[in-house]
Amino acid sequence: DQQVKQNSPSLSVQEGRISILNCDYTNSMFDYFLWYKKYPAEGPTFLISISSIKDKNEDGRFTVFLNKSAKHLSLHIVPSQPGDSAVYFCAASLPGNQFYFGTGTSLTVIP
Amino acid sequence: DSGVTQTPKHLITATGQRVTLRCSPRSGDLSVYWYQQSLDQGLQFLIQYYNGEERAKGNILERFSAQQFPDLHSELNLSSLELGDSALYFCASSALGTGDGGYTFGSGTRLTVV
Repeated sequence: DQQVKQNSPSLSVQEGRISILNCDYTNSMFDYFLWYKKYPAEGPTFLISISSIKDKNEDGRFTVFLNKSAKHLSLHIVPSQPGDSAVYFCAASLPGNQFYFGTGTSLTVIP
Repeated sequence: DSGVTQTPKHLITATGQRVTLRCSPRSGDLSVYWYQQSLDQGLQFLIQYYNGEERAKGNILERFSAQQFPDLHSELNLSSLELGDSALYFCASSALGTGDGGYTFGSGTRLTVV
């Protein structure tokens, strides 16, 4: 049973525009959420996180929004750059640091 | 270099064989996690060790086992291999309880079963 879902396998965005990546989860016990970025032939790297006590966290061009009532998480990238082209995984954590990952969304930023 | 080292990077083996994947966590991290990434699925959690002891189990097959040694490196043993076991296997480490920054991943081992 997939507790964290990314329903869009891929997304294409023009350079300079906003990229919005979405993630849904089913377990209301998740208390920490993260986004990872993955380039081919590399391991995922941490991008940004948010605690369940917040609804927004911003780091430069990256903003994560959390809607707990909807069990929905989104990552906004503004402005999108070609170097942002990668696979993005969302992850959710139960207390105790065990993470569950979504299936990933492949973002392509078109120059 | 993330600080998490996985060896080997690539492995090709035949069905029915057994392989061992190795992971050295980032310095100071006590927790090691193993994940499997196949073509049609995301990162599937297999198992977690903390300071030498099994902490949590995910979708790990009975044919698979793991351990964490006193020096904190971990090994994932895959036996009676099947074609469907072909995947990327990632190891990640963390300082349990911090949450901040989540995991640090290694670059993975690509296993091909032929």
